[in-house]
Amino acid sequence: EAGVAQSPRYKIIEKRQSVAFWCNPISGHATLYWYQQILGQGPKLLIQFQNNGVVDDSQLPKDRFSAERLKGVDSTLKIQPAKLEDSAVYLCASSLTTRASRQETQYFGPGTRLLVL
Amino acid sequence: AQSVTQPDIHITVSEGASLELRCNYSYGATPYLFWYVQSPGQGLQLLLKYFSGDTLVQGIKGFEAEFKRSQSSFNLRKPSVHWSDAAEYFCAVGSFGGGATNKLIFGTGTLLAVQP
Repeated sequence: EAGVAQSPRYKIIEKRQSVAFWCNPISGHATLYWYQQILGQGPKLLIQFQNNGVVDDSQLPKDRFSAERLKGVDSTLKIQPAKLEDSAVYLCASSLTTRASRQETQYFGPGTRLLVL
Repeated sequence: AQSVTQPDIHITVSEGASLELRCNYSYGATPYLFWYVQSPGQGLQLLLKYFSGDTLVQGIKGFEAEFKRSQSSFNLRKPSVHWSDAAEYFCAVGSFGGGATNKLIFGTGTLLAVQP
């Protein structure tokens, strides 16, 4: 079974520029997550989608970050304008069902490493 | 608030030696606990998870973890480490809010180096 796909794998931009990341979850997975992993820290959830609706975006900096999941499959995460502190790895994950199940496993993609200069 | 603490930032062990990585959690109810491993340039791979029942959980790659409620701990162990185990290990607790909210709260990770 194919895993979670993400692109690009690496991105270098200057501050105040915009950038977008793409994620394709495992086929059939209803729930999709975006996590931010800053160097030396564990991943932190930015946003959770259930199908194409937002379930939790409480930690998404909405003044500069946006995300969408059209048609309940692929998702894009955008940063505009980027700041130096946005340098991080952006991980996409997916899980199978739509229910909040404690037994759900989240499957992670390889991540996109962003460097903001 | 829920949180996870991994006290050891970096650990070095010799190949063939035993390993224990520490994890302490703070959670108001019965915790749902996970260990993930992250190799360089790779995403997170689930090693094992605990929801209920037997407090000793077996995972992939020969890893196991023991849930100790009295100590709020979920330490990861392996009896004999292989060079390929060198990676970063993350402990996480599942946080389930109202509706379908379902997120993982991660510790800061432990970087494991394996000496030949």
